[in-house]
Amino acid sequence: DGGITQSPKYLFRKEGQNVTLSCEQNLNHDAMYWYRQDPGQGLRLIYYSQIVNDFQKGDIAEGYSVSREKKESFPLTVTSAQKNPTAFYLCASSIVGRMNTEAFFGQGTRLTVV
Amino acid sequence: AQKITQTQPGMFVQEKEAVTLDCTYDTSDPSYGLFWYKQPSSGEMIFLIYQGSYDQQNATEGRYSLNFQKARKSANLVISASQLGDSAMYFCAMWDTGGFKTIFGAGTRLFVKA
Repeated sequence: DGGITQSPKYLFRKEGQNVTLSCEQNLNHDAMYWYRQDPGQGLRLIYYSQIVNDFQKGDIAEGYSVSREKKESFPLTVTSAQKNPTAFYLCASSIVGRMNTEAFFGQGTRLTVV
Repeated sequence: AQKITQTQPGMFVQEKEAVTLDCTYDTSDPSYGLFWYKQPSSGEMIFLIYQGSYDQQNATEGRYSLNFQKARKSANLVISASQLGDSAMYFCAMWDTGGFKTIFGAGTRLFVKA
């Protein structure tokens, strides 16, 4: 079955720690995205990538980093510089540059700072 | 810059009745795409319906239809014959042609009453 897999589903981070959220897709999509969602809020774009080895900052990139070494994978690292990382993180993918194609989402990772 | 506005934080509807969720958008592009997504309490994002700016007819997908009023820049989602399983967050979204990414509104939480 084609889709997007995010892991882990729940993640706990201690103050000052870096953590990495995994996102893998087998849809052969070129574009991948990371969104952050706070309780009762919409989705805010953190980073996105349209091609391997290239990515762009979204609206709230500070305190986050990404890599795109493989088409299938787009991991997100939440660094210690992110002062308020507790949130729900969603990864998505789509066909690049196509206005009429929807994004496909993973199940999300809920990150909590302890 | 493109923008999506959803002004209804929460909506209630009686089971089996129809409900309209509002969405207005702002863009200077003549060509754009609009989407609606559903997010159940489990967190995943489910694509519901798409409307292109040049589409002559309003989009429909089963019980979902999109009331597209281009001059008013509105793209309201209509859910007919509401079911208890329709209780969820609903997001309106737009394809950003300048940045090759999808931008989301703040969402509307729909409660379906038995």
